[in-house]
Amino acid sequence: EAQVTQNPRYLITVTGKKLTVTCSQNMNHEYMSWYRQDPGLGLRQIYYSMNVEVTDKGDVPEGYKVSRKEKRNFPLILESPSPNQTSLYFCASSFEQGYTEAFFGQGTRLTVV
Amino acid sequence: SQQGEEDPQALSIQEGENATMNCSYKTSINNLQWYRQNSGRGLVHLILIRSNEREKHSGRLRVTLDTSKKSSSLLITASRAADTASYFCAPQETSGSRLTFGEGTQLTVNP
Repeated sequence: EAQVTQNPRYLITVTGKKLTVTCSQNMNHEYMSWYRQDPGLGLRQIYYSMNVEVTDKGDVPEGYKVSRKEKRNFPLILESPSPNQTSLYFCASSFEQGYTEAFFGQGTRLTVV
Repeated sequence: SQQGEEDPQALSIQEGENATMNCSYKTSINNLQWYRQNSGRGLVHLILIRSNEREKHSGRLRVTLDTSKKSSSLLITASRAADTASYFCAPQETSGSRLTFGEGTQLTVNP
């Protein structure tokens, strides 16, 4: 089954404690991205990657890091989380950026206290 | 990249009625996509309509695109309670542009 898998689904952490949210897709997609969703602000793109070792900033990259060492994986790293990073996070992938449908993961609800 | 603006922000209808949601955008596009999001879940792709297409159907969904008015509409016919969700449009300028979203239309279908 074609899918994008995020882990964990829920996470509560404390300010400053590094964390990683994993994202994996099994469709051999080249393009992957991360979004955060906040009430009243919609979905905002954090980072995206057009292929292995190729990443670029989205609209709200501050406080986040990503890596793309393998085609299937695109982890989101919060080196020093802060309460304003409390949000619902989604990973997405597509075969070609902007021209084909995107597949989304089920989301990770992160709370930073 | 540009994002679409969905209208209305919220829509409440009775089961069996039709629901129409609109999307406006600012610049020329290559294609426009519609997505659905059930509460707190990931977005699910519904339809992609290309700039040279005017209308597209998928089951109970009908999407129209008017490039002269820079607008698109999503019609859900004979709505069901299970259609309750947020609906987002994503206009794309070129094949290389990023997929960006507005705040969506929150549709509530009352049984």
